[in-house]
Amino acid sequence: QKEVEQNSGPLSVPEGAIASLNCTYSDRVSQSFFWYRQYSGKSPELIMSIYSNGDKEDGRFTAQLNKASQYVSLLIRDSQPSDSATYLCAVTTYSGAGSYQLTFGKGTKLSVIP
Amino acid sequence: DTEVTQTPKHLVMGMTNKKSLKCEQHMGHRAMYWYKQKAKKPPELMFVYSYEKLSINESVPSRFSPECPNSSLLNLHLHALQPEDSALYLCASSPREDPYNEQFFGPGTRLTVL
Repeated sequence: QKEVEQNSGPLSVPEGAIASLNCTYSDRVSQSFFWYRQYSGKSPELIMSIYSNGDKEDGRFTAQLNKASQYVSLLIRDSQPSDSATYLCAVTTYSGAGSYQLTFGKGTKLSVIP
Repeated sequence: DTEVTQTPKHLVMGMTNKKSLKCEQHMGHRAMYWYKQKAKKPPELMFVYSYEKLSINESVPSRFSPECPNSSLLNLHLHALQPEDSALYLCASSPREDPYNEQFFGPGTRLTVL
């Protein structure tokens, strides 16, 4: 079974600090990796996608991918209280017959303390 | 137009009712998805439509019946639901069903089955 693992948290960081969110996946042939942010009662919002080994930066967010270790992470610099949410790691897995689907981790709840 | 819309926002139904959820996108995306999300759990894939054809059915009970009338519209017909079907139902779309395409979620329909 293809799995995506995340620490459920809660992860608490002070305002202005760096928040580090981690994710591991079991399917070695996965090619695409996504981070979604979900506020309580709302739908997931895509914040980062990464396909190649290394770092990808977008504003205060940096995604890091290491396919050899089957590990993907998200760093949030200068964390703000508005970053408090559940962060979902998602990995594209092959379902057969040319079909692909997203497999989600259970999410890490982040709290940024003012 | 860069969003996925869903109606209604909230739905309360009895176990003998028939109702439908509607999802619409005008981004020219050719893959559309239904997910179910229970509280404090990640989204679970239900159905995938690719170019208006059902691509994936994740062994969903027949009381859930999807329909894709055209490339912009996705419906989920509900009949004889159970209280445990109460959840947030999310629609998503992506340009195509391939491993590199990002999925964008609508705001969801909060369903309560009495």
